[in-house]
Amino acid sequence: EVLLVESGGGLVQPGRSLRLSCAASGFTFEEYALHWVRQAPGKGLERVAYISSNGRHKVYADSVKGRFTISRDNAKNSMYLQMNSLRPEDTALYFCAKYLRAFRESDDGFDIWGQGTTVTVSS
Amino acid sequence: QSVLTQPPSVSGAPGQRVTISCTVSGSIIGAGYDVHWYQQLPGSAPKLLIYANINRPSGVPDRFSGSKSGSSASLAITGLQADDEADYYCQSYDSSLSGPVFGGGTKLTVL
Repeated sequence: EVLLVESGGGLVQPGRSLRLSCAASGFTFEEYALHWVRQAPGKGLERVAYISSNGRHKVYADSVKGRFTISRDNAKNSMYLQMNSLRPEDTALYFCAKYLRAFRESDDGFDIWGQGTTVTVSS
Repeated sequence: QSVLTQPPSVSGAPGQRVTISCTVSGSIIGAGYDVHWYQQLPGSAPKLLIYANINRPSGVPDRFSGSKSGSSASLAITGLQADDEADYYCQSYDSSLSGPVFGGGTKLTVL
């Protein structure tokens, strides 16, 4: 079974840091680009960050650029999101998701999503 | 900047057909990028319903179909069922952002 499982969410004060993890199984991890997508309470889906299959190409939403860092360890079938200088507006359910097609770097759909991990930024 | 515009809500009675539109504007137009559709049930992660405008992943019932023409895409659901009640999102790609973009979502209510 193809699975993505997020972890690392929690309640954190503004300005602090948090590291999210996404553990993958059931597919050839190093062949797929991965994304973090978030959903604020009662709101729609918002892309956060993207990392290519080999980890060399990374793209961030303007709202998190300079504060968040995406990375992956293909040997451990895992992806990460280091979130620094957190703001209340970063409060959301964070999903990791994989592109449908192997070695696809753009213009694709997400066929597998994790269940999400909740990040709450509040004092 | 590109925008994907969806109606905030649609509704239909069991057995009926409903459509959800996704209008593309900005730099996506003319680029020919695909549109993908997701269903998000309450409390769940999004599920891919349609990819590359018209294709259904394995396991998605053929009651769900997608189309795309010019600057607009649509998701059609026939034989509406109570458990189709969910939020539906379209998604495409914006080269100016080097990343995917999502529509604002449409809440489907089954009357």
